[in-house]
Amino acid sequence: AQSVTQPDIHITVSEGASLELRCNYSYGATPYLFWYVQSPGQGLQLLLKYFSGDTLVQGIKGFEAEFKRSQSSFNLRKPSVHWSDAAEYFCAVETQGGSEKLVFGKGTKLTVNP
Amino acid sequence: KAGVTQTPRYLIKTRGQQVTLSCSPISGHRSVSWYQQTPGQGLQFLFEYFSETQRNKGNFPGRFSGRQFSNSRSEMNVSTLELGDSALYLCASSFLPVGTGVNEQFFGPGTRLTVL
Repeated sequence: AQSVTQPDIHITVSEGASLELRCNYSYGATPYLFWYVQSPGQGLQLLLKYFSGDTLVQGIKGFEAEFKRSQSSFNLRKPSVHWSDAAEYFCAVETQGGSEKLVFGKGTKLTVNP
Repeated sequence: KAGVTQTPRYLIKTRGQQVTLSCSPISGHRSVSWYQQTPGQGLQFLFEYFSETQRNKGNFPGRFSGRQFSNSRSEMNVSTLELGDSALYLCASSFLPVGTGVNEQFFGPGTRLTVL
């Protein structure tokens, strides 16, 4: 079965520091990969997506992610974190087979210190 | 373009009752998916509807059901509520069915259900 692992449950960074959130997936075919962000009491907002082509994708709010097939990873990065980036981040994989089409990781909660 | 709307935003029910949640997708979107989000289990897929047909169903008991109307609006129903059904229920819409690729789901703000 498809699965998504986000190894870090909680990450704390200082404002202005760089950020990398890890995501590993398990899926036999070429995956469609997504990163979503959820602020408290809100729904999910799409940050970026990878379908094919360039393995480095740019998203909104200054985020980028790199797809590495050899490592089954799709890590999210931001060079300089802002206090407003504090939220929970979810990696997800969309599959073409099976009954569950969009599988999410458990999420990484980001805290930003001033 | 208006986003995905969900009503109500908050609900409090007691065990044994039933509840109906509503989702209005983005105009033109024909796929609606439902997810349950809890602190322990995270985001779990409930079911997906496309053009009034259920395409996929997650691993939830039969107490969880849904439907989609001709205008693509969707409802989900939970009967005989249990304490463990307390969760944030998220609805997402997309133009194409999920799993067809090159697709993007747009999420609503969710309905927070509390079962006492």
